Order: sequence, then C-alpha cells, then structure tokens
Amino acid sequence: EAQVTQNPRYLITVTGKKLTVTCSQNMNHEYMSWYRQDPGLGLRQIYYSMNVEVTDKGDVPEGYKVSRKEKRNFPLILESPSPNQTSLYFCASSTTGLDEQFFGPGTRLTVL
Amino acid sequence: GESVGLHLPTLSVQEGDNSIINCAYSNSASDYFIWYKQESGKGPQFIIDIRSNMDKRQGQRVTVLLNKTVKHLSLQIAATQPGDSAVYFCAEKSDSWGKLQFGAGTQVVVTP
Repeated sequence: EAQVTQNPRYLITVTGKKLTVTCSQNMNHEYMSWYRQDPGLGLRQIYYSMNVEVTDKGDVPEGYKVSRKEKRNFPLILESPSPNQTSLYFCASSTTGLDEQFFGPGTRLTVL
Repeated sequence: GESVGLHLPTLSVQEGDNSIINCAYSNSASDYFIWYKQESGKGPQFIIDIRSNMDKRQGQRVTVLLNKTVKHLSLQIAATQPGDSAVYFCAEKSDSWGKLQFGAGTQVVVTP
C-alpha cells in the first residue's frame, strides 16, 4: 500500500531534550516536506526536499533540522525543543512537488 | 481526532446544495495551486490542482476556478454530501522550487 508513515504518532517531552520524528514514504517520491499545523494558522511549511541531499527552508524553519540521505526518509530533528514547538506535525511527499502531495497521519508533539 | 481549526471561517451547506469555498492568495508570481481536504484526526487529502496557465479545472463533483487578476481561487463542490464535511485548505507554490504556502482553511459543515 502506497503510504507516508510517521513515528511517533504522539510524543510528550521536556524543553531541551533532543528528539527526532521519522518520516518514510514507499512511493519513490523525489519531493518530501514537513509542516506544522496550529489552530487558526493552517499548515506552515518547515522544510522541504526536492531530492536526496537537497533541502531548503520553508516558512518556519527556526528550531528545526532535516536531512535527506535516502530518497524514502526525511526525518525532522528538534535539537532543543521549546514549548512553542508544541504542535501537530505532518510529513508529505509527492513525485515532483508540482503534483499531489500525500500526507502522513500526523505527529502530535507536546513540549513541556 | 485532533482539533486543528478552532476559529476557522465556517460554511454551512445543506445536503444536496452546491458549495463554494473561496481563497485569496498572496503572490502574483505563484504558478501552481492546490486544494486539500482535511477530516478530523487525519492528514490533508489532495482534491484538485490547477496551474496558472488555466482558469478552470474540473474533477469528480469538484471544480476549481482561478482568477489571476484578483488573485482569487475557488473550489466548487456539486451536490454536497455529509462526507464532504471537513476543513478545506488552498495552497500556492510561491517560488520556483518547492515552497508551498497554505491558507488558514475553511470549515465546511453539511447539514441534512
């Protein structure tokens, strides 16, 4: 089944404790992206990747890192999480970025 | 499910009626636009897209209209059904690479 998977689905952590949210797709997509979703603000793009080893900032990259060492994986790293990073996070992928994006199920992160 | 739109504009539609959801975009240079649907507790799902060299595109029960003069995008849903109840987002590709910007969303509520 073609899908985007994220882990974990739910995470509660404390300020400053490094964490990684994994994202994997099995559709051989070149484009992958991370978004955060907050009430009333819609989806805001954090980082995106056009292909392996090619990443670029979205609208809200501060406090986040990403890597794209393999085509299928695009982990989101929070080196020192803060409470303002409490949010719902979505990973997405598409063939080129100019076509349908497939979204993962979301990761609800709470930073205390 | 997750609540992601506590104070969104809401469109109430009677079952069987047509729905029109509007979106104003910001960048006159944007060349690709997408509509997504998000049901409670799920990730966004692609509905339809349109490129800037078109002003109308039709899908199954949905039509997207693009007016570049006033930077306006609309989604029309024909014969709205209870399963159409969701939050609808428009998005624009705002640069020459892969950066996407989403609108805040519109909550559609279908009443019997």
